Amino acid sequence: NAGVTQTPKFQVLKTGQSMTLQCAQDMNHEYMSWYRQDPGMGLRLIHYSVGAGITDQGEVPNGYNVSRSTTEDFPLRLLSAAPSQTSVYFCASGRDETGELFFGEGSRLTVL
Amino acid sequence: KNEVEQSPQNLTAQEGEFITINCSYSVGISALHWLQQHPGGGIVSLFMLSSGKKKHGRLIATINIQEKHSSLHITASHPRDSAVYICAVKSNNNDMRFGAGTRLTVKP
Repeated sequence: NAGVTQTPKFQVLKTGQSMTLQCAQDMNHEYMSWYRQDPGMGLRLIHYSVGAGITDQGEVPNGYNVSRSTTEDFPLRLLSAAPSQTSVYFCASGRDETGELFFGEGSRLTVL
Repeated sequence: KNEVEQSPQNLTAQEGEFITINCSYSVGISALHWLQQHPGGGIVSLFMLSSGKKKHGRLIATINIQEKHSSLHITASHPRDSAVYICAVKSNNNDMRFGAGTRLTVKP
């Protein structure tokens, strides 16, 4: 089983560029979520989804968009990247919003 | 003040020692997670708790809902337990807050 797959693992962007971080899970999980991890800040929730067609904001949603058109996929979009979005991003899924979380390997994004 | 406080921030132990990591939170929660982040960066879920106590191998996690406190215990610690341990709480409105993590080093 692949579990939670994130792509790309590394990305360098210039300020103002757009990109999408992909997240896919093959466990038929209803709950999916995106986090960023910064030195000294720990993990912070960006957006989450409790099922296809349903998304909601976490602690730090500004500058990011998400959609959940299928149960399997939960892409994170940066419409106009800023240096403050340089971070390591993790996607996670769970059976439901209170279940065990399964994390992807992370995506390291650098915005110049 | 952070909504999730972990202690200690850093912990060094000798192989075989009993280890306790503490987590206190200030919000109402539906669940509490203990996560392990390996030196390579990968994150693994150790426990999800909403009450009581859970045990998996040498790891034990407890939660006291009234006192808003959870502990993670490692018995007979081993160098492979060296990692960052993170406490995370799922609030009643589905938001999630994380502790800053406890960096554990177990020396042989």
